[in-house]
Parts: sequence; structure tokens; C-alpha cells
Amino acid sequence: SAVISQKPSRDICQRGTSLTIQCQVDSQVTMMFWYRQQPGQSLTLIATANQGSEATYESGFVIDKFPISRPNLTFSTLTVSNMSPEDSSIYLCSVAQSSYEQYFGPGTRLTVT
Amino acid sequence: AQKITQTQPGMFVQEKEAVTLDCTYDTSDQSYGLFWYKQPSSGEMIFLIYQGSYDEQNATEGRYSLNFQKARKSANLVISASQLGDSAMYFCAMRESWAGSYQLTFGKGTKLSVIP
Repeated sequence: SAVISQKPSRDICQRGTSLTIQCQVDSQVTMMFWYRQQPGQSLTLIATANQGSEATYESGFVIDKFPISRPNLTFSTLTVSNMSPEDSSIYLCSVAQSSYEQYFGPGTRLTVT
Repeated sequence: AQKITQTQPGMFVQEKEAVTLDCTYDTSDQSYGLFWYKQPSSGEMIFLIYQGSYDEQNATEGRYSLNFQKARKSANLVISASQLGDSAMYFCAMRESWAGSYQLTFGKGTKLSVIP
């Protein structure tokens, strides 16, 4: 299985600021995703990070709020922009090497005050 | 309608006993996949087991097995010989073929507590 790391592991941020989360994989992967897990809730897909092109966002998520980069097949970033307390969540990146394998990074626990 | 339904918000099981966590799904695809993940309090998502819609045998991985009943659209996770370390949230998820990009839809989860 792929080894996935995320930075930072947690952060406390002031409202109105932005935070960029990094996701690094130890091998090249085709599919990379970003999910959000609000407190006490399940995971919701934010977007699919496409290598070399714009991310594909799910309904309710927009590029201005959650810009995503994926410069190569092992790395992606998610920025949470103009944060509010409602953005307090765990943000997880995941990778799919095939239709039957999908692994998650350790997550970034974000608190917005 | 929800695509993944986990009807048990919380479950208790005695250590060393077996426990079944329920998951039903809704899809019109013929080709799909079902995943189970464990999420301890640390927040990481740990992959446990996968079942493909065309797999004839129920998936097994160590103490985890998946009771797949395609006609009933259910994919229940069975944990045998529960251990204290099994206490965690458990999520059922589905990958549908129409998505193309392997994205997953998650259920609301079941919190499992193992009692010594």
C-alpha cells in the first residue's frame, strides 16, 4: 500500500486567514482526492486532484474557497481560504491505485477560532 | 436517498466476542465496490477490507470478514474475537463505476466500543 503523509498534522488558525495542507505519497498514483470530515460527521469528498489540470470539485465546494494543486503524481496541496469556524474539520487526502484500493493520509485537524 | 446506510450509531461488544456492523447500499450500477474503514480517535482512516460486486466469495482479511448479500444490497462487516484496540468508528463506503475516478461515498459510521 502507498505511504501517505500530510502536513501539518494539526493547526489552530484565526478566522479570515488561509491554510495550505500538503499531501505527499511515496509512489506515483493516478487518483488523488481530498475529503473533509466535520466534527462528529462522516467524510465528504471535496474534490479530485487532477495532475496538470484543474481539480474537479463536488457540489457545494468551489475553487475560490478550496484551491487545489497537483503538480505531479506524488504531491498535492489543498488550501482552505478565508477560514471561518465552520471550516474546523479533519481534512484527509486519499489515493487510489486501483478500483479496489484506496488509502488515506493521517489527516490534518484544523481548528478555526 | 442515502447511498450508504449504517443504522447502528453505536455498538458494544464483549472482548473476545464477534460483532457484526451493518451496512446497506443503494446503487443502480452493476459494477461497484464496497470498502470498510476503521477510524480510531487519532483520526486516521485505516483500510480494512474490500468487496467487489462481481466477487463470488465473501472477502476476508484476518479477523475481518465481509458478509456480502448482493440481492439485499448489504455488506456487513464481521469482526471476530474482538480486542480492546478495535474500539473505534467504522465506516462503510461505496465506489460506483459511473464515477470513473474511484471516488467513495461514505456512510455515517458506527462507533464500536469493546468492553473488557
